[in-house]
Amino acid sequence: GQSLEQPSEVTAVEGAIVQINCTYQTSGFYGLSWYQQHDGGAPTFLSYNALDGLEETGRFSSFLSRSDSYGYLLLQELQMKDSASYFCAVSHEVGTDKLIFGTGTRLQVFP
Amino acid sequence: SQTIHQWPATLVQPVGSPLSLECTVEGTSNPNLYWYRQAAGRGLQLLFYSVGIGQISSEVPQNLSASRPQDRQFILSSKKLLLSDSGFYLCAWTGRGTTDTQYFGPGTRLTVL
Repeated sequence: GQSLEQPSEVTAVEGAIVQINCTYQTSGFYGLSWYQQHDGGAPTFLSYNALDGLEETGRFSSFLSRSDSYGYLLLQELQMKDSASYFCAVSHEVGTDKLIFGTGTRLQVFP
Repeated sequence: SQTIHQWPATLVQPVGSPLSLECTVEGTSNPNLYWYRQAAGRGLQLLFYSVGIGQISSEVPQNLSASRPQDRQFILSSKKLLLSDSGFYLCAWTGRGTTDTQYFGPGTRLTVL
């Protein structure tokens, strides 16, 4: 089967750094994406890694190791508004742009 | 710029009633389109995707169907709703030749009673 595993919940305080891990097992792999979803809202795209290494976008960074089938999302200088669910997703089928989503990690940021 | 619309935003329907959810995309042409369902506190389950008008692929067997009558219109339907059809329905699109970034609509929250 195809699966993506993430921790179900992570808590942190404002200003801290948190890392959300994602391990995947899929029949194909073309890239790893991260999405943020606030309660009641739609997922929004955060980052995409097709190659090994770190991608930085402001306070958020994403890392990929294809040999380990592993990636993580790093959130720095946490703010209350970062409280949300975070999903990793694998692009596994060229031509259709289909994604397989993980079950999501709920991040709670406390003051 | 591109935008994606979904309606209705919320819907309460009795078991056995029909369903029609609509999704339209503006500002792009020939997008790939997707329907997802999300149960409360869960991940996203891909229901259907379409790479062009009249081209629909189903990911899971169920009592739902999808149609794409126009390039930027995607419709999710059911003839008879089940209790298990309750959930948050999301439509998404990607452009051709992109890095697979999917852009989601605001969603429809469906409650079947």
